[in-house]
Amino acid sequence: DAGVTQSPTHLIKTRGQQVTLRCSPKSGHDTVSWYQQALGQGPQFIFQYYEEEERQRGNFPDRFSGHQFPNYSSELNVNALLLGDSALYLCASSYSGAKYNEQFFGPGTRLTVL
Amino acid sequence: ELKVEQNPLFLSMQEGKNYTIYCNYSTTSDRLYWYRQDPGKSLESLFVLLSNGAVKQEGRLMASLDTKARLSTLHITAAVHDLSATYFCAVFTNSGYALNFGKGTSLLVTP
Repeated sequence: DAGVTQSPTHLIKTRGQQVTLRCSPKSGHDTVSWYQQALGQGPQFIFQYYEEEERQRGNFPDRFSGHQFPNYSSELNVNALLLGDSALYLCASSYSGAKYNEQFFGPGTRLTVL
Repeated sequence: ELKVEQNPLFLSMQEGKNYTIYCNYSTTSDRLYWYRQDPGKSLESLFVLLSNGAVKQEGRLMASLDTKARLSTLHITAAVHDLSATYFCAVFTNSGYALNFGKGTSLLVTP
């Protein structure tokens, strides 16, 4: 049973560019959350997608957008990249019908903005 | 605003010693999660604490939850080098959708 997968593993971009990160949830999961983890910090919630809609958003600017597909996979898009966007981006999946809503994390995408 | 505070943030301890990491949170929650993260890696779920008084143990790690005090502890017994990692506690925001993490405790176990 495959867990949460993310691609790419690493990415290097320059300021002003746009980036798309991808996530496939764990089998049986229908909800995807995205987190940003800056170096030396705890993960920060970006947003959550359920039924192809953004269900909740954290304190991130509109440059961060996302999408969820009918197969529950998800993309995170970041426009007009800033140096401060350099971080590990983590995708977490969960099942909406689970009693305790545990989130399972993928391996992450390391984004470096130069 | 939900705040999750861990202490200490950095911990260097000798092999064989015991120590406790503390996690305080600022809002009512009946669930708390502990994760481990190795350098450059993702988050590995350690414990899910689901009710007041919950205690879970796995190997040399034991976690407990006091929802009245809004406090969780992660106790390390007879530390070994393999436990060196960063440990995070997290609770859900009131919506129940977003996890709010502490800053993490970076643990280094030395010979």
